[in-house]
Amino acid sequence: DTAVSQTPKYLVTQMGNDKSIKCEQNLGHDTMYWYKQDSKKFLKIMFSYNNKELIINETVPNRFSPKSPDKAHLNLHIKSLELGDSAVYFCASSQGFLAGGPLYADTQYFGPGTRLTVL
Amino acid sequence: RKEVEQDPGPFNVPEGATVAFNCTYSNSASQSFFWYRQDCRKEPKLLMSVYSSGNEDGRFTAQLNRASQYISLLIRDSKLSDSATYLCVVFDSSYKLIFGSGTRLLVRP
Repeated sequence: DTAVSQTPKYLVTQMGNDKSIKCEQNLGHDTMYWYKQDSKKFLKIMFSYNNKELIINETVPNRFSPKSPDKAHLNLHIKSLELGDSAVYFCASSQGFLAGGPLYADTQYFGPGTRLTVL
Repeated sequence: RKEVEQDPGPFNVPEGATVAFNCTYSNSASQSFFWYRQDCRKEPKLLMSVYSSGNEDGRFTAQLNRASQYISLLIRDSKLSDSATYLCVVFDSSYKLIFGSGTRLLVRP
């Protein structure tokens, strides 16, 4: 009964490869997110989708492409992997986007993370 | 200046101690504030929201000072299980959660 799940948990790959990380939530939430946590432990948002529509797109290289086939899934595809892409990638979901009004953030529930190592 | 700044620690305290963490944020237009907890190699989890009037949840008390752009978390009667990294989080005016890099707490027996 995992709320937010990600696969794979670990991903080790060579530079230049293309890889995907999958995320699924069974909470019935409308909004999903991808975050990157680097070696200095900063957690930064990359993308957010609300009801399959992209609503936040941070300054992320266009090698990263999110895809939301339905509101329960948000996948992240990364092309031509680079050493600097090594990090932990967390998926998260929330009930809505600004569901409580423009001043309030809905609680975000995080997946267990995918530890990506690029060699 | 970083958007959300925290002392990285670690804070090393004995069981039963009271410990306080502080956090400052740069965007005065920020409206919502949170403390998340992250255990080693795990995902962040919401610990508590921070309200203007201050709020308490058991042994945890959060305070917000908008004038100084400062948030605090007080943990009383520390338990071994409180050992974790505490992330200060601000919901900024561009509708994103901005995370601090965290303050590490180690509670020793």
